[in-house]
Amino acid sequence: AQTVTQSQPEMSVQEAETVTLSCTYDTSESDYYLFWYKQPPSRQMILVIRQEAYKQQNATENRFSVNFQKAAKSFSLKISDSQLGDAAMYFCAYRGGGADGLTFGKGTHLIIQP
Amino acid sequence: GAVVSQHPSRVICKSGTSVKIECRSLDFQATTMFWYRQFPKQSLMLMATSNEGSKATYEQGVEKDKFLINHASLTLSTLTVTSAHPEDSSFYICSARATSDTANYGYTFGSGTRLTVV
Repeated sequence: AQTVTQSQPEMSVQEAETVTLSCTYDTSESDYYLFWYKQPPSRQMILVIRQEAYKQQNATENRFSVNFQKAAKSFSLKISDSQLGDAAMYFCAYRGGGADGLTFGKGTHLIIQP
Repeated sequence: GAVVSQHPSRVICKSGTSVKIECRSLDFQATTMFWYRQFPKQSLMLMATSNEGSKATYEQGVEKDKFLINHASLTLSTLTVTSAHPEDSSFYICSARATSDTANYGYTFGSGTRLTVV
């Protein structure tokens, strides 16, 4: 079974600074998808960014970018110019090529210091 | 953008009763919907995959007789917690993937249901 590990239960960053959230995963598949979701206090899950495993280029969405290291099975999220609205739980998630549902990590609570 | 409506947002029920949670895709058709459970300050755990017109696929350890899933149309899936007990109290979240999402772009999540069994 696939597993997703987020080793940072909580991270704190100053507003306008850059922060990197770690995620590693374990799989024997070659075709899969990786996601970062944000869950604010409202509990609504919001897609931040996604990455297809077959793509070598790292995904970028405005201030959010990933460092995808397929051989190392690492998928970290970098948030640049952190804003107060970025404060939330961040979950890394995996979807296998044949499976439909997502496997989530335990999450990282991101605190933004004004 | 794609919207998934989940109702109710909060429900309190007595032990031994059943409660139904609805997950509805408002502006797209969803052949497949998913149900997750989230304990306080923990991650989301996939409970089951709901396919329109067929039986749901349950993850290992999830009691299919306790958590009844029905996906009768391309826009509606329901989760019924039968004979609820306090240990069933949790946050339940549904998500849906559009039938047209052949590129596997992603999933849209409902806003969740907080179930409290007293």
